[in-house]
Amino acid sequence: TQLLEQSPQFLSIQEGENLTVYCNSSSVFSSLQWYRQEPGEGPVLLVTVVTGGEVKKLKRLTFQFGDARKDSSLHITAAQTGDTGLYLCAGASVSNTGKLIFGQGTTLQVKP
Amino acid sequence: DSGVTQTPKHLITATGQRVTLRCSPRSGDLSVYWYQQSLDQGLQFLIQYYNGEERAKGNILERFSAQQFPDLHSELNLSSLELGDSALYFCASSVGLAGWETQYFGPGTRLLVL
Repeated sequence: TQLLEQSPQFLSIQEGENLTVYCNSSSVFSSLQWYRQEPGEGPVLLVTVVTGGEVKKLKRLTFQFGDARKDSSLHITAAQTGDTGLYLCAGASVSNTGKLIFGQGTTLQVKP
Repeated sequence: DSGVTQTPKHLITATGQRVTLRCSPRSGDLSVYWYQQSLDQGLQFLIQYYNGEERAKGNILERFSAQQFPDLHSELNLSSLELGDSALYFCASSVGLAGWETQYFGPGTRLLVL
């Protein structure tokens, strides 16, 4: 059974601080996606990383896929109150399906 | 707005009952996915359909079944409901069936079993 362990589960920081969220597995994934979910809404895709070692930047967010395609990280620089939300990583199976394995999520609270 | 619609938004029912959740994918998307989100289990993949055919299955209970119709909308049927089935049920859609494709999630159906 493929599992994705996401840490930390909760993070409360002050505006302007940096943070990193980790997503780890013993399984290889064909790609890894990061989603953000607001209360009462469905997850929204932030980024997809496909190649081992790949780094993608989305404004103040930096995403990295591990060389072995088993882990990933999300780094936020100078967090803003608008970054508050639930962040989810999801790994796609190496089989040719759209099945995604989700981590438990990181609830981020950025205080002014 | 993701373009994926789900009905109903909220559903309250009793144990032992049966309910049907409905999903309309984005225009042009052939894949539909169903997920269950609960506080203790997180977001769990249930099942994927592609152009009317079942494509992948997760830990979907035998009491649950789904189908995708010729117009590509999908329904998730939950029967013999138990208290533990209370959760948010999301439908998502994508153009194709590959894992790297963007999945667009609907707003979800919140099911409460009393």
